[in-house]
Amino acid sequence: GESVGLHLPTLSVQEGDNSIINCAYSNSASDYFIWYKQESGKGPQFIIDIRSNMDKRQGQRVTVLLNKTVKHLSLQIAATQPGDSAVYFCAERGSSYKLIFGSGTRLLVRP
Amino acid sequence: EAGVVQSPRYKIIEKKQPVAFWCNPISGHNTLYWYLQNLGQGPELLIRYENEEAVDDSQLPKDRFSAERLKGVDSTLKIQPAELGDSAVYLCASSQEMNTEAFFGQGTRLTVV
Repeated sequence: GESVGLHLPTLSVQEGDNSIINCAYSNSASDYFIWYKQESGKGPQFIIDIRSNMDKRQGQRVTVLLNKTVKHLSLQIAATQPGDSAVYFCAERGSSYKLIFGSGTRLLVRP
Repeated sequence: EAGVVQSPRYKIIEKKQPVAFWCNPISGHNTLYWYLQNLGQGPELLIRYENEEAVDDSQLPKDRFSAERLKGVDSTLKIQPAELGDSAVYLCASSQEMNTEAFFGQGTRLTVV
């Protein structure tokens, strides 16, 4: 419901620490996954993607891990910075090519 | 390279009035999406286009919402008449193909009063 949506799960980390944001996806047939970052007043920004034939992919300061057995996706951010503060969404794409978003996690970086 | 451009950024209208949103996707992107995002929630797909063809509009409330993508480039999303519950952010996104990453515009924040 709307009241649940207004209270996003929040992860608070100290600047310089590593962050891990988790996501459970719903469709075992999904073969493509994306992490997006959304800052206030802006559209979602692509961070990193991974296909189902992989279990790990690394970018600059970010790593995505995929566990298809338990339908779990995680985003690891190394040396978290204040500019990383945002809401993070995972998204999955199934055979219909429809991109379905999760409910989001708010990351707060303490100085 | 310019990203996805949406206009207007903000729109306030009275209920029962019509409203339209415009989207210019990234050049060369064949796939275009319209999403609706309520406060604190993830975007929800309204309609997806492959070039000028709407290939997935199952989530579009067709009694009041309509969309078009003439010539397979720009797209407009229309609501007529608007209801209070339509207040949300309307996001447009595009991708080169349907199985590649989608890039989003900044969205149009609609407030219906």
